[in-house]
Amino acid sequence: QVQLQQWGAGLLKPSETLSLTCAVYGDSFSGHYWTWIRQPPGKGLEWIGEINHTGSTNYNPSLRSRLTISADTSKSQFSLRLSSVTAADTAVYYCARGRRWGLVTYYFDYWGQGTLVTVSS
Amino acid sequence: QSALTQPASLSGSPGQSITISCTATSSAVGTYNLVSWYQQHPGKAPKLILYEVNKRPSGVSDRFSGSKSGNTASLTISGLQADDEADYYCCSYVRGVLFGGGTKLTVL
Repeated sequence: QVQLQQWGAGLLKPSETLSLTCAVYGDSFSGHYWTWIRQPPGKGLEWIGEINHTGSTNYNPSLRSRLTISADTSKSQFSLRLSSVTAADTAVYYCARGRRWGLVTYYFDYWGQGTLVTVSS
Repeated sequence: QSALTQPASLSGSPGQSITISCTATSSAVGTYNLVSWYQQHPGKAPKLILYEVNKRPSGVSDRFSGSKSGNTASLTISGLQADDEADYYCCSYVRGVLFGGGTKLTVL
């Protein structure tokens, strides 16, 4: 049974750095792309970025300048860091397992429980 | 800028069938079967219900089915049940992963 469990700080001030970690249980870390997706309150889903076991990453162009996704394969964990946050970054952040077709990640079959991150002064 | 457009809301009565559309502004969506659908109940993580247009993951009811015609993908839920009341999101790859804006389904 694949499970993703995530954690991280839930309340940040503007200009601080958002940091979340997701642990993968019941699955090999290799062979998939591990993904972050967010959902502002009352709004839709936004793909943030992904990483694989080799450390290869793909980022949403709109967030790339502030975004770092990293992985610790020895722990089967991957992390998200988003710098210089503003109120617009307030959202529920999800980690998920991405499935690939060629070079394209195109669906997400296992999700973490979500972490609400609020940015407020 | 590519986008996936869904109706904001739909409703149906128990036992009825409803169809949620997902229309892409880019013709790239029609090229590949890279469409997936997610169900999200309030306060919960999204759940994959269809991938590659019409494939169901293990454990997903066969009341959920999908299709695609040109740049429009569709999710059909047959035999509506109270627990189907949720938000539904389509997803595809168009020069990056895109999600539709979501459809709130109300079961009357």
